[in-house]
Amino acid sequence: DTEVTQTPKHLVMGMTNKKSLKCEQHMGHRAMYWYKQKAKKPPELMFVYSYEKLSINESVPSRFSPECPNSSLLNLHLHALQPEDSALYLCASSQDPGQGTREAFFGQGTRLTVV
Amino acid sequence: GQSLEQPSEVTAVEGAIVQINCTYQTSGFYGLSWYQQHDGGAPTFLSYNALDGLEETGRFSSFLSRSDSYGYLLLQELQMKDSASYFCAVRDTGGFKTIFGAGTRLFVKA
Repeated sequence: DTEVTQTPKHLVMGMTNKKSLKCEQHMGHRAMYWYKQKAKKPPELMFVYSYEKLSINESVPSRFSPECPNSSLLNLHLHALQPEDSALYLCASSQDPGQGTREAFFGQGTRLTVV
Repeated sequence: GQSLEQPSEVTAVEGAIVQINCTYQTSGFYGLSWYQQHDGGAPTFLSYNALDGLEETGRFSSFLSRSDSYGYLLLQELQMKDSASYFCAVRDTGGFKTIFGAGTRLFVKA
Protein backbone atom coordinates (compact mmCIF):
# COMPACT_ATOMS: atom_id res chain seq x y z
CA ASP A 1 0.00 0.00 0.00
CA THR A 2 1.72 3.16 -1.22
CA GLU A 3 -1.22 5.47 -0.73
CA VAL A 4 -1.84 8.55 1.29
CA THR A 5 -5.58 8.94 1.75
CA GLN A 6 -7.18 12.30 2.44
CA THR A 7 -10.77 13.04 3.38
CA PRO A 8 -12.88 14.83 2.44
CA LYS A 9 -11.99 15.48 -1.20
CA HIS A 10 -13.99 18.69 -1.27
CA LEU A 11 -15.09 20.96 1.57
CA VAL A 12 -17.09 24.17 1.62
CA MET A 13 -17.21 25.94 4.94
CA GLY A 14 -18.35 29.24 6.33
CA MET A 15 -16.04 31.58 8.17
CA THR A 16 -17.56 30.66 11.52
CA ASN A 17 -17.46 26.90 11.00
CA LYS A 18 -15.11 24.35 12.56
CA LYS A 19 -14.04 21.46 10.36
CA SER A 20 -11.23 18.92 10.18
CA LEU A 21 -9.20 17.46 7.35
CA LYS A 22 -7.96 13.91 7.74
CA CYS A 23 -4.95 12.10 6.31
CA GLU A 24 -3.94 8.46 6.65
CA GLN A 25 -0.96 6.40 5.49
CA HIS A 26 -0.01 2.78 6.18
CA MET A 27 3.50 2.75 4.74
CA GLY A 28 5.20 3.00 8.13
CA HIS A 29 6.42 6.49 7.29
CA ARG A 30 7.57 8.50 10.30
CA ALA A 31 7.29 11.96 8.77
CA MET A 32 4.02 13.56 7.75
CA TYR A 33 3.38 16.96 6.25
CA TRP A 34 0.64 19.45 5.52
CA TYR A 35 0.99 21.66 2.46
CA LYS A 36 -1.21 24.40 1.06
CA GLN A 37 -1.37 24.90 -2.69
CA LYS A 38 -2.97 27.76 -4.58
CA ALA A 39 -3.82 27.45 -8.26
CA LYS A 40 -0.78 27.46 -10.55
CA LYS A 41 1.57 27.71 -7.57
CA PRO A 42 3.87 25.18 -5.92
CA PRO A 43 2.93 23.47 -2.66
CA GLU A 44 3.82 25.56 0.40
CA LEU A 45 4.83 23.75 3.53
CA MET A 46 2.65 24.38 6.59
CA PHE A 47 3.59 21.75 9.17
CA VAL A 48 5.95 18.82 9.59
CA TYR A 49 5.43 15.98 12.04
CA SER A 50 8.40 13.82 12.84
CA TYR A 51 7.80 10.67 14.87
CA GLU A 52 4.38 12.04 15.83
CA LYS A 53 5.82 15.28 17.19
CA LEU A 54 5.40 18.67 15.57
CA SER A 55 8.84 19.65 14.34
CA ILE A 56 8.08 22.52 11.98
CA ASN A 57 5.34 25.14 11.96
CA GLU A 58 5.92 27.55 9.10
CA SER A 59 4.38 30.49 10.94
CA VAL A 60 0.92 29.25 10.09
CA PRO A 61 -1.99 31.23 11.62
CA SER A 62 -3.53 29.63 14.69
CA ARG A 63 -6.83 29.13 12.87
CA PHE A 64 -5.06 26.05 11.46
CA SER A 65 -4.33 23.48 14.14
CA PRO A 66 -2.55 20.22 13.28
CA GLU A 67 -2.80 17.02 15.24
CA CYS A 68 -1.05 13.66 14.91
CA PRO A 69 -3.01 11.08 16.96
CA ASN A 70 -0.70 8.22 15.92
CA SER A 71 1.96 7.37 13.37
CA SER A 72 -0.60 6.69 10.63
CA LEU A 73 -2.95 9.62 11.07
CA LEU A 74 -2.67 13.35 10.62
CA ASN A 75 -5.46 15.86 11.10
CA LEU A 76 -5.77 19.53 10.33
CA HIS A 77 -8.40 21.34 12.40
CA LEU A 78 -9.86 24.46 10.84
CA HIS A 79 -11.60 27.28 12.67
CA ALA A 80 -12.60 30.81 11.74
CA LEU A 81 -11.00 30.63 8.30
CA GLN A 82 -10.89 33.46 5.82
CA PRO A 83 -11.84 33.35 2.12
CA GLU A 84 -8.15 33.67 1.23
CA ASP A 85 -7.58 30.31 2.92
CA SER A 86 -9.41 28.64 0.05
CA ALA A 87 -6.88 26.30 -1.57
CA LEU A 88 -5.91 22.68 -2.11
CA TYR A 89 -4.60 21.18 1.12
CA LEU A 90 -2.17 18.36 0.56
CA CYS A 91 -0.97 15.79 3.02
CA ALA A 92 2.29 13.96 2.38
CA SER A 93 4.45 11.40 4.09
CA SER A 94 8.03 10.23 3.78
CA GLN A 95 10.02 7.40 5.25
CA ASP A 96 11.87 9.56 7.71
CA PRO A 97 12.34 13.26 8.22
CA GLY A 98 16.09 13.24 8.44
CA GLN A 99 18.85 14.03 6.07
CA GLY A 100 18.70 12.44 2.71
CA THR A 101 15.01 11.75 2.72
CA ARG A 102 14.17 12.11 -0.88
CA GLU A 103 10.75 10.96 -1.73
CA ALA A 104 7.44 12.17 -0.44
CA PHE A 105 4.11 10.52 -1.18
CA PHE A 106 1.22 12.93 -1.55
CA GLY A 107 -2.48 12.44 -1.04
CA GLN A 108 -4.98 13.69 -3.60
CA GLY A 109 -5.74 16.69 -1.45
CA THR A 110 -8.79 18.41 -0.03
CA ARG A 111 -10.17 21.23 -2.15
CA LEU A 112 -11.27 23.77 0.45
CA THR A 113 -13.56 26.69 -0.27
CA VAL A 114 -14.24 29.23 2.46
CA VAL A 115 -17.39 31.28 1.94
CA GLY B 1 17.82 31.64 2.02
CA GLN B 2 16.92 29.02 -0.51
CA SER B 3 15.51 29.45 -3.98
CA LEU B 4 14.95 27.41 -7.11
CA GLU B 5 14.45 28.70 -10.62
CA GLN B 6 12.82 26.84 -13.45
CA PRO B 7 11.10 28.00 -16.66
CA SER B 8 7.41 28.76 -16.29
CA GLU B 9 6.28 27.03 -19.48
CA VAL B 10 7.62 24.64 -22.09
CA THR B 11 5.84 23.43 -25.22
CA ALA B 12 6.89 20.38 -27.21
CA VAL B 13 5.52 18.00 -29.82
CA GLU B 14 4.40 14.45 -29.18
CA GLY B 15 7.30 12.04 -29.65
CA ALA B 16 9.94 14.71 -29.07
CA ILE B 17 12.44 15.17 -26.23
CA VAL B 18 12.17 18.04 -23.77
CA GLN B 19 14.50 19.25 -21.04
CA ILE B 20 13.32 21.20 -17.99
CA ASN B 21 16.09 23.02 -16.17
CA CYS B 22 16.36 23.91 -12.52
CA THR B 23 18.97 26.04 -10.80
CA TYR B 24 19.05 26.27 -7.06
CA GLN B 25 20.57 28.26 -4.24
CA THR B 26 20.72 26.57 -0.87
CA SER B 27 22.80 26.93 2.26
CA GLY B 28 23.09 23.14 2.39
CA PHE B 29 22.24 20.44 -0.10
CA TYR B 30 20.79 16.98 0.27
CA GLY B 31 19.69 16.25 -3.24
CA LEU B 32 17.33 17.44 -5.95
CA SER B 33 13.94 15.83 -6.51
CA TRP B 34 11.44 16.13 -9.33
CA TYR B 35 7.67 15.87 -9.05
CA GLN B 36 4.92 15.76 -11.66
CA GLN B 37 1.47 17.18 -11.03
CA HIS B 38 -1.48 16.96 -13.40
CA ASP B 39 -4.19 19.58 -13.09
CA GLY B 40 -6.43 18.66 -10.17
CA GLY B 41 -4.08 15.87 -9.08
CA ALA B 42 -1.49 15.26 -6.42
CA PRO B 43 2.24 15.77 -6.91
CA THR B 44 3.89 12.47 -7.82
CA PHE B 45 7.56 11.76 -7.18
CA LEU B 46 9.56 11.19 -10.37
CA SER B 47 13.25 11.10 -9.52
CA TYR B 48 15.99 12.10 -7.13
CA ASN B 49 19.66 12.96 -7.55
CA ALA B 50 22.04 13.24 -4.63
CA LEU B 51 25.23 12.82 -6.64
CA ASP B 52 26.41 14.31 -9.92
CA GLY B 53 25.33 12.54 -13.04
CA LEU B 54 22.36 11.11 -14.80
CA GLU B 55 19.62 8.94 -13.29
CA GLU B 56 17.37 7.13 -15.76
CA THR B 57 13.90 5.81 -15.08
CA GLY B 58 12.15 4.70 -18.23
CA ARG B 59 11.34 7.67 -20.46
CA PHE B 60 12.41 10.11 -17.73
CA SER B 61 15.97 10.99 -16.77
CA SER B 62 17.29 13.50 -14.28
CA PHE B 63 20.70 15.10 -14.18
CA LEU B 64 22.56 16.92 -11.44
CA SER B 65 25.69 19.06 -11.34
CA ARG B 66 26.37 20.08 -7.77
CA SER B 67 29.28 22.35 -8.73
CA ASP B 68 26.92 24.33 -10.98
CA SER B 69 23.91 24.11 -8.60
CA TYR B 70 21.98 22.91 -11.61
CA GLY B 71 19.84 20.01 -12.62
CA TYR B 72 17.42 19.06 -15.32
CA LEU B 73 14.62 16.64 -16.04
CA LEU B 74 14.68 15.02 -19.47
CA LEU B 75 11.49 13.57 -20.90
CA GLN B 76 11.82 11.39 -23.99
CA GLU B 77 9.22 10.08 -26.45
CA LEU B 78 6.76 12.65 -25.20
CA GLN B 79 3.16 11.59 -24.88
CA MET B 80 0.05 13.74 -24.50
CA LYS B 81 -0.35 12.45 -20.96
CA ASP B 82 2.98 14.10 -20.05
CA SER B 83 1.24 17.47 -20.18
CA ALA B 84 1.47 18.55 -16.56
CA SER B 85 3.38 20.77 -14.16
CA TYR B 86 6.86 19.69 -13.15
CA PHE B 87 8.46 20.87 -9.92
CA CYS B 88 12.06 20.62 -8.85
CA ALA B 89 12.54 20.48 -5.09
CA VAL B 90 15.33 20.49 -2.55
CA ARG B 91 15.51 19.65 1.12
CA ASP B 92 16.83 22.30 3.46
CA THR B 93 19.90 21.95 5.67
CA GLY B 94 17.92 20.45 8.53
CA GLY B 95 16.46 17.89 6.16
CA PHE B 96 12.93 18.41 7.36
CA LYS B 97 11.63 20.92 4.84
CA THR B 98 11.12 20.48 1.14
CA ILE B 99 11.29 23.66 -0.90
CA PHE B 100 9.61 23.52 -4.30
CA GLY B 101 10.41 25.54 -7.38
CA ALA B 102 7.61 27.54 -8.96
CA GLY B 103 6.92 24.76 -11.45
CA THR B 104 7.16 24.35 -15.20
CA ARG B 105 3.97 23.76 -17.15
CA LEU B 106 4.65 21.37 -20.01
CA PHE B 107 2.27 21.41 -22.96
CA VAL B 108 2.58 18.47 -25.34
CA LYS B 109 1.01 19.05 -28.76
CA ALA B 110 -0.01 16.47 -31.32
